[in-house]
Amino acid sequence: DAKTTQPPSMDCAEGRAANLPCNHSTISGNEYVYWYRQIHSQGPQYIIHGLKNNETNEMASLIITEDRKSSTLILPHATLRDTAVYYCIVRVTPYAGNMLTFGGGTRLMVKP
Amino acid sequence: EPEVTQTPSHQVTQMGQEVILRCVPISNHLYFYWYRQILGQKVEFLVSFYNNEISEKSEIFDDQFSVERPDGSNFTLKIRSTKLEDSAMYFCASTLSIYEQYFGPGTRLTVT
Repeated sequence: DAKTTQPPSMDCAEGRAANLPCNHSTISGNEYVYWYRQIHSQGPQYIIHGLKNNETNEMASLIITEDRKSSTLILPHATLRDTAVYYCIVRVTPYAGNMLTFGGGTRLMVKP
Repeated sequence: EPEVTQTPSHQVTQMGQEVILRCVPISNHLYFYWYRQILGQKVEFLVSFYNNEISEKSEIFDDQFSVERPDGSNFTLKIRSTKLEDSAMYFCASTLSIYEQYFGPGTRLTVT
């Protein structure tokens, strides 16, 4: 799986958009971009995934650059409950045993 | 909303003892996983399980570890002879779609 690079930490004001970047310059054509988050030692929580098109769901938006070498997770209106470690994971086309490989992630602190 | 459950939430055991960590995946899910997270470190994949057999396992998942789905609802991780370095949070996950994985709240294992 391609390696990802994320800033170790970011701050965001409550109510503002949180934009979390991820660099995955060695991504290959069959690799998806996934985002998970982990709130204070709880189990990781799936947020969103995409291949090349931008994606949006009730939690967030995922913007993938045209060359697919980087992506941005956008939390449109961050709340204090969004304080967590956010993981960007690049993963080959899924199959039954397909594991997730977690890196260090970005620790997002949402401040009042 | 259905969720993955894990028991116990905290297990304390002595070195050399056997432990069984239990998970109840989401009822219609077909793929099951165990991950662990040593305090302050990354979430690490241990094993995936599909169609009553191991699909993939990591180097961590040696002969001391085993998994089982003894009935239609439970998924267990057994550590035969625990070591101090097995102290960690153990997360169970399950999925139906092979895209997103749904994680349980974890079992904190403390080996003394």
